Parts: sequence; structure tokens; C-alpha cells
Amino acid sequence: AQSVSQHNHHVILSEAASLELGCNYSYGGTVNLFWYVQYPGQHLQLLLKYFSGDPLVKGIKGFEAEFIKSKFSFNLRKPSVQWSDTAEYFCAVYWGNTDKLIFGTGTRLQVFP
Amino acid sequence: GAGVSQSPSNKVTEKGKDVELRCDPISGHTALYWYRQSLGQGLEFLIYFQGNSAPDKSGLPSDRFSAERTGGSVSTLTIQRTQQEDSAVYLCASSLASGGTYEQYFGPGTRLTVT
Repeated sequence: AQSVSQHNHHVILSEAASLELGCNYSYGGTVNLFWYVQYPGQHLQLLLKYFSGDPLVKGIKGFEAEFIKSKFSFNLRKPSVQWSDTAEYFCAVYWGNTDKLIFGTGTRLQVFP
Repeated sequence: GAGVSQSPSNKVTEKGKDVELRCDPISGHTALYWYRQSLGQGLEFLIYFQGNSAPDKSGLPSDRFSAERTGGSVSTLTIQRTQQEDSAVYLCASSLASGGTYEQYFGPGTRLTVT
């Protein structure tokens, strides 16, 4: 069955540190890839997405993610985090043959000033 | 414009009671999704609607769970004979159409607590 793995469950960083959150998915053909973010007390919202083309995609608030097909990975990165990036981050994968979005278990990021 | 809304925002119920959770999608969105978010479990897909039909009900945990959508708009998720393991946040999302190229917009969720 298709699955999405986020190995970092809880990440604690100081402001200005670099961030990389891992996301791997099981093999299953053509995929569309997403990162969603949930700030404290707010709705889930889309951070960035990859459908095709340049495997390095840029999203809102300085985030970017790189699709590495050979590794079935879609890691999220930010060169310098801010306190306001404190949130829970979810990787999600859409497999065309299932017509549903599968989410990872999420990574809780805490950024301290 | 108005986003996805869900009601109630919080629901506390006794074990064995039935509950109904409501989702109002963004106007014009034909696809509607229900997820369950439990601590440490991420978002678990439950069911989705394209229009009023539900092509994929595979995520419903048991026959105590059912959902319907009327008029291509409002959807109701019903849990019968609630159990403590049903306690979770139930999220609804909508998108212009089903399929992975359409962004899903999420509501604030309904926090269900079964005592």
C-alpha cells in the first residue's frame, strides 16, 4: 500500500538555523507531492507543491523542496528559520491511480529566538 | 472569500451516542474530503466526494462511520455508537475537483471527545 514517511517527529531549532525535514514515499508510479503547514491555532494550508518540471520547487515564506525521484524523497528546506516558522509540517503524496492524498504523520517544528 | 467551515468546533459526547459533524465547503468546489487527525498519527483519509457521490469510502474505519453530501455542497459525517478511540480532530477539505492537481483547502476541524 502507498505510504508516506516523515522521520523527524519533533525538531527544535534556534532562529537563523537551517532546516531540512525529510519525506519519503513508497513506490507507486506517477506522484504529485505537497507540503502543508499548520501554524498553532490555524488551519492546514499549502506550503508548496510539485507536479512536474524543475525538481526544486519554491513555496511561500522562503521554503523550498527538492524532489529526488530515485530516492522517492521530497525534503523540505529553509536556509534560515524564524520563530514564526514554529508549526507542524505535513508531507502529502497523491498517487494518480488512487485519487486520494496520503499524508505523513507530521513533523512538529519549534523555533526558539 | 469564505473558506471551508465546520461545525461544531468542539463536541464532547458519551460513549455509545451518535454524533454528526458538518462541513460547508468553499462555494463551487465539487470535491470534498474528510480526514481524521489523531495525536501522532498524521491525517488519516476517511472518504471523499465528487459531487454527491463517494467514489472512495475505503478509509472509513468501520460501519459505524458514514457520510453523505447533498446538493453538491454540505457534507455530514456521522459516527454511530461512538467509542473512545473515535476521539480525534475531524478535518474537512474541499477542492475545485478531485485529483492531485487541485489544492485542497482545509477547514478548522471538529474536535471530538468521547468520554
